Amino acid sequence: ETGVTQSPTHLIKTRGQQVTLRCSSQSGHNTVSWYQQALGQGPQFIFQYYREEENGRGNFPPRFSGLQFPNYSSELNVNALELDDSALYLCASSLRQGDYGYTFGSGTRLTVV
Amino acid sequence: RKEVEQDPGPFNVPEGATVAFNCTYSNSASQSFFWYRQDCRKEPKLLMSVYSSGNEDGRFTAQLNRASQYISLLIRDSKLSDSATYLCVVPTPNTGNQFYFGTGTSLTVIP
Repeated sequence: ETGVTQSPTHLIKTRGQQVTLRCSSQSGHNTVSWYQQALGQGPQFIFQYYREEENGRGNFPPRFSGLQFPNYSSELNVNALELDDSALYLCASSLRQGDYGYTFGSGTRLTVV
Repeated sequence: RKEVEQDPGPFNVPEGATVAFNCTYSNSASQSFFWYRQDCRKEPKLLMSVYSSGNEDGRFTAQLNRASQYISLLIRDSKLSDSATYLCVVPTPNTGNQFYFGTGTSLTVIP
């Protein structure tokens, strides 16, 4: 049973729309990372948040943005959706910055049509 | 060059077989390495950590060759339940705030 909860589990959006994905971290974890996993690929790092501040960003355009809240839950926002944004979006929390003990949520499967 | 590269397979092996996967990494400063397992349409789950020359856990053995910059995963006596995708993972050195995942190696164990 995972301690990281993501919502929604599935989502269908139209090209050009905006989407917000949500993640509740495992209790006591103050660091959250977001990954995008396209079909047949490994997860790709989007960004990480530590104590409400962005702490590293992968090779994703600015239309991918995030937030972390005081309770360490997090959001991933994607504007101007493109067909290639269709993927599984994974949230992972860890106890602290630099801790390798990631716990992944079960992901949000986004389909852009 | 990609940070982490894996043979995508697929590997189709009979029950009881021994199978090995290899993974290469590009950053010689990397210190920690992981193998994750991902079942179809599920999240990745940690299988093994590799911090020194290797690690063994039951039927699973992970080995690290720093000189050649590769990590291997050996599965002995394969079970049907081992069917999954195995992801090689290398964190960024020093900060460790980003995991580089390989594309994954698909394994199917056949009865």
